[in-house]
Amino acid sequence: EPEVTQTPSHQVTQMGQEVILRCVPISNHLYFYWYRQILGQKVEFLVSFYNNEISEKSEIFDDQFSVERPDGSNFTLKIRSTKLEDSAMYFCASRYRGSGNTIYFGEGSWLTVV
Amino acid sequence: QQQVKQSPQSLIVQKGGISIINCAYENTAFDYFPWYQQFPGKGPALLIAIRPDVSEKKEGRFTISFNKSAKQFSLHIMDSQPGDSATYFCAASTILTGGGNKLTFGTGTQLKVEL
Repeated sequence: EPEVTQTPSHQVTQMGQEVILRCVPISNHLYFYWYRQILGQKVEFLVSFYNNEISEKSEIFDDQFSVERPDGSNFTLKIRSTKLEDSAMYFCASRYRGSGNTIYFGEGSWLTVV
Repeated sequence: QQQVKQSPQSLIVQKGGISIINCAYENTAFDYFPWYQQFPGKGPALLIAIRPDVSEKKEGRFTISFNKSAKQFSLHIMDSQPGDSATYFCAASTILTGGGNKLTFGTGTQLKVEL
C-alpha cells in the first residue's frame, strides 16, 4: 500500500538552528499538509499546500516556518530559527483529489530542540 | 467554535468488551468526520469515517454513530482486543477555499484493552 514517507525519523538540534524536515507524499496525491503533535497532546494543523502554494496556514505557522515542493516529489518543512517550544512530532500528510476527504499521514519526524 | 471535544481521556476495557469514545463539535461547516488510530511513535492511521448525512457506519468491529442535531459522534469498538490498545482521535474536516481540507482533531483517548 502506498504510504507517506518522512525523514529524518528523529532530529536533535540546537536552539536557533535551521531545520528541514522532508516528506515524500503518496505519488498521485495533490494536497499536502504538515501537522504537529507536542508530546501527549492532540495533533494540530500547521499548513496545507496545493498547486504549488499555501492554501491555508494556522496561527502556529509563523514567519519562522516555510514549506516547499522543490522537485515535484519531495515536500519540505523548514523551521528557520528553532525554539524550545518547536520540539514536537511533525507529521506530513497528503490527499488524493478524488479520495473523498481522506488524509494519509506519515510516521512523523520527531524534532527535539535543546 | 473550531474545537472538537473528545471524551474520555483514557479508557480501560476488558477483552471482548465494548469501547465507546465520544466527540462533540460546534462548527456546522464540518463536513466529514474521521477517526484515527495511533500507536506509540507512529503516525495517525485512518480507521473509519462518516459524512453528516449518515447516522451510522460500520466496518468490521468498528462503528461510528453520528447525531447531527446534537453535533455529536462516537466510535464503538465491539469485541475489543488487546491489539486495539492505542490512542484514538476523532477529527472533523473543513473544506479549504484554496483547495483540500483541514482536519481539526480531538484531544485523544488512550484505550487499553486488558486480558
